[in-house]
Amino acid sequence: EVQVVESGGGLVQPGGSLRLSCAASEFTISNSWMHWVRQASGKGLVWVSQISSSGSSTGYADSVKGRFTISRDSAENTLYLQMNSLRAEDTAVYYCARGGYRYAWDLWGQGTLVTVSS
Amino acid sequence: QSALTQPPSASGSPGQSVTISCTGTSSDVGAYDSVSWYQQHPGKAPKLMIYEVTKRPSGVPDRFSGSKSGNSASLTVSGLQADDEADYYCSSYAGSSIYVFGTGTKVSVL
Repeated sequence: EVQVVESGGGLVQPGGSLRLSCAASEFTISNSWMHWVRQASGKGLVWVSQISSSGSSTGYADSVKGRFTISRDSAENTLYLQMNSLRAEDTAVYYCARGGYRYAWDLWGQGTLVTVSS
Repeated sequence: QSALTQPPSASGSPGQSVTISCTGTSSDVGAYDSVSWYQQHPGKAPKLMIYEVTKRPSGVPDRFSGSKSGNSASLTVSGLQADDEADYYCSSYAGSSIYVFGTGTKVSVL
């Protein structure tokens, strides 16, 4: 089955770090643009970051630029999001999504919850 | 990177149509034919309904249609069904490897 499965979420103190993983099945992430999108409880979707199919281009929302880093391991077919200097406002469900169409995400994971709290 | 503006709610009776607007700027919605729409049921991941303004992925009923004029886009759901009750989000490319979502609209089927 074509799918992505996120993991790595949890409770972390403000200022701490966390690395999220997104394991892809039945497709190759190095052939796709991959993204992270987050959603705070009861709130809307917020785009976080992208990495190009070649891996040479990345993009970040202003709210996470300089703190978050997107990367991938082609051998493991896994996408990552390294999150540093975490703040309470980073608390959200983080979704991994495939850019299967130009400018659109056709495959989403179930999400992983990140809670930043002391 | 301001969110695109959507009405908080919209509603219609079964069989009727509902249209959701998505207003951006000349730097995002107006600049690219990149608007996509997502349906999200409570506790579930978003589902792509429309991409590149008017295109439907395989499996999405033709009751869902999209359009764009200037800095605004719209999603119309015709022949409303109970399962259409969900949150809907628009999204647009905003240039420089940046994307922006809409504020979201809760659609109720009366």
